[in-house]
Amino acid sequence: NAGVMQNPRHLVRRRGQEARLRCSPMKGHSHVYWYRQLPEEGLKFMVYLQKENIIDESGMPKERFSAEFPKEGPSILRIQQVVRGDSAAYFCASSPSRGEYNEQFFGPGTRLTVL
Amino acid sequence: SQQGEEDPQALSIQEGENATMNCSYKTSINNLQWYRQNSGRGLVHLILIRSNEREKHSGRLRVTLDTSKKSSSLLITASRAADTASYFCAYNTNAGKSTFGDGTTLTVKP
Repeated sequence: NAGVMQNPRHLVRRRGQEARLRCSPMKGHSHVYWYRQLPEEGLKFMVYLQKENIIDESGMPKERFSAEFPKEGPSILRIQQVVRGDSAAYFCASSPSRGEYNEQFFGPGTRLTVL
Repeated sequence: SQQGEEDPQALSIQEGENATMNCSYKTSINNLQWYRQNSGRGLVHLILIRSNEREKHSGRLRVTLDTSKKSSSLLITASRAADTASYFCAYNTNAGKSTFGDGTTLTVKP
């Protein structure tokens, strides 16, 4: 059973461009979470999605950021008009349920560098 | 803030010594997890402890959970240079998402 897959692993964008980060959850997992890690900091929650639904986006910046988890295919985190402050590692996690004892499995992360 | 807090922020010890890291939180939780992260790398899951558990072991790792004090500790015994990394606690509630602390940076000197 493959783990959580993220691609690309490294992404370089110039200011003003768009960044698209992909996350394929573990097989059988229908819950996906995105986190952002700035240098020297812990992970900060961004958004929680189930298939075709956004459950909690309380950690997502109101502008330029969006996320989706379509019925088919990976979850996408999209950052429009990137700025230098968006440079960070973006981690995706998945879980089989939202149950009381859910364990989240993390992907290797995408490291975004904005020039 | 509902963020977990960890202490110490940084810890430096000699190989063979034990390392203890603490994590505190402010809400009722379902479970708490500890992760390791080497510089510039992804997260490695170490241990999950559930709210009805008080202690768990895995190899040289020992995790305790005190829900009355809203705190957890991670003990690494007989440390090795390869244990040098950042260690994070993360707790889960019924909301589903994980809330992370800012981590403890452990340096084990050979």
